[in-house]
Amino acid sequence: DTGVSQNPRHKITKRGQNVTFRCDPISEHNRLYWYRQTLGQGPEFLTYFQNEAQLEKSRLLSDRFSAERPKGSFSTLEIQRTEQGDSAMYLCASSLETGGNSPLHFGNGTRLTVT
Amino acid sequence: KNQVEQSPQSLIILEGKNCTLQCNYTVSPFSNLRWYKQDTGRGPVSLTIMTFSENTKSNGRYTATLDADTKQSSLHITASQLSDSASYICVVKGQGGKLIFGQGTELSVKP
Repeated sequence: DTGVSQNPRHKITKRGQNVTFRCDPISEHNRLYWYRQTLGQGPEFLTYFQNEAQLEKSRLLSDRFSAERPKGSFSTLEIQRTEQGDSAMYLCASSLETGGNSPLHFGNGTRLTVT
Repeated sequence: KNQVEQSPQSLIILEGKNCTLQCNYTVSPFSNLRWYKQDTGRGPVSLTIMTFSENTKSNGRYTATLDADTKQSSLHITASQLSDSASYICVVKGQGGKLIFGQGTELSVKP
């Protein structure tokens, strides 16, 4: 399978714990995005990378959230001191951005439940 | 404010019937408009991408239309199948490459 891979698929954690998610994009894709999605809503932008550079972060992203993409390959999203409001599906997407009309290829997400 | 509004919020149709989903946007300037299909518990999958100059684009039984003057798009599904049950998300790409997502239309196809 050469699509976008996300791990784990599900994560249940207690409030206050830290969690880390991993995303492996399609290998030749230079852009990588993180989104958060709650039930009945469209994905909400969190941050994106062009190769290893983090180019934009949503103003909605609190300082408890951090993302990295070392060497421009896989990416990790860490949430520190989780809160119940962090419960959501966290989606990763990648694209090969050339002319601006490239589709995003999404992974199947990591569903986070904070108890 | 750049927004993407979809209607209806949810829709139930019988297998074999056609349906049309609507997307209105206020994003300006506009780069392209995308439709995605999202099965429950999965990530969205791209159906079509339409630029300013394209009015109609088909992908199998899915046909998207775009009217850039009225800032409206529709996704028509022909001869629906049970596997079409999913959320359909309209996404508009605006200035600076920012993607603005609609909230989706939840389609349920019943036998």
